Amino acid sequence: AQSVAQPEDQVNVAEGNPLTVKCTYSVSGNPYLFWYVQYPNRGLQFLLKYITGDNLVKGSYGFEAEFNKSQTSFHLKKPSALVSDSALYFCALYNTDKLIFGTGTRLQVFP
Amino acid sequence: ETGVTQSPTHLIKTRGQQVTLRCSSQSGHNTVSWYQQALGQGPQFIFQYYREEENGRGNFPPRFSGLQFPNYSSELNVNALELDDSALYLCASSPTSESGDTQYFGPGTRLTVL
Repeated sequence: AQSVAQPEDQVNVAEGNPLTVKCTYSVSGNPYLFWYVQYPNRGLQFLLKYITGDNLVKGSYGFEAEFNKSQTSFHLKKPSALVSDSALYFCALYNTDKLIFGTGTRLQVFP
Repeated sequence: ETGVTQSPTHLIKTRGQQVTLRCSSQSGHNTVSWYQQALGQGPQFIFQYYREEENGRGNFPPRFSGLQFPNYSSELNVNALELDDSALYLCASSPTSESGDTQYFGPGTRLTVL
């Protein structure tokens, strides 16, 4: 079965430090992977996606993600966290006609 | 902002009632998908419409139904509401129905069933 896992419910990081939000996937065939961010009382905002090509994908707001096929991972990263990055982050896998989402990771950036 | 709009923002219904939620797609997008996001969970796929036809459906009962109109706006209808239907309902549009196409989400409709 195709699935996405986000092993951490919450990630805490100090402002200015690098951040990583983890995602692993299970799929038969080539994966199409996405990261979205959700702020309180808002819909999902697209950050970036991996379809094919370079394993390091750059996205919005300084975020990037590293695709690792051998580890079936697609971790979201940012070199220097901002307090305004505090939000709920979802990893998603595209399957046929739909996105399959992980359970989300809450990122808390402390001043 | 994505250009995807949803109405209403909030809605309160009682068990057994029917509800219609609306979505206006981003200009130029012919595909719309609906998701249900229960509190503390990731969004779950309900169905997708492409050029006014249902193009895929998740594990939701038939009382969840939809429409897509010629201007690519869309409706989600839920009959015989149950308490567990309380959730944030998200609409997403994409330029096509091709695999891997980015889906752009609206702000959602918060449905509360009492």
